[in-house]
Amino acid sequence: EPEVTQTPSHQVTQMGQEVILRCVPISNHLYFYWYRQILGQKVEFLVSFYNNEISEKSEIFDDQFSVERPDGSNFTLKIRSTKLEDSAMYFCASKPGAGDTQYFGPGTRLTVL
Amino acid sequence: QQQVKQSPQSLIVQKGGISIINCAYENTAFDYFPWYQQFPGKGPALLIAIRPDVSEKKEGRFTISFNKSAKQFSLHIMDSQPGDSATYFCAASSNYGQNFVFGPGTRLSVLP
Repeated sequence: EPEVTQTPSHQVTQMGQEVILRCVPISNHLYFYWYRQILGQKVEFLVSFYNNEISEKSEIFDDQFSVERPDGSNFTLKIRSTKLEDSAMYFCASKPGAGDTQYFGPGTRLTVL
Repeated sequence: QQQVKQSPQSLIVQKGGISIINCAYENTAFDYFPWYQQFPGKGPALLIAIRPDVSEKKEGRFTISFNKSAKQFSLHIMDSQPGDSATYFCAASSNYGQNFVFGPGTRLSVLP
């Protein structure tokens, strides 16, 4: 069964450094999402992406964040200058069509020191 | 208005018992209500979902009950098993399943 994959599984970085989190959505999916989950808390929406542009973003998704679909398979989340409070699990999700459900990847644990 | 409330925060059930988790929402524009199951260190996995045109949906041991007038929906897990021990999140979205608003989660423990 096709799955959303994410790399790396765990990323450790110093405060102020840039990180890029990578996702490979399911191949025929058209809608892409990033969520984050701070340890022990609920999953929070960051951004949705469709037709090569951001369709919606939350107030968490400020100028430090950006997303890109550099080729036909990858979907990336970049954090330009990481802060301690960016430490969280970051989940990528995708879905095939507008009315379909979202399928989540296993997540990347980001630790900012 | 975007918030989804979920209770209880944690739940302990004996094997074979019924687990019930409740959620409530305010935004009447929500039109899709999934439940996700999350094991430690894993991403949320879709368990079952419902749209507001039906009041109940059953898949195996899992049932969603939906009360549109009360703006509440609940997950029932029949014959709960130790393998069901996980965190369960309800969620809601509008506009054909765009960004989900998640509840805070319920940690379920099923005792053998």
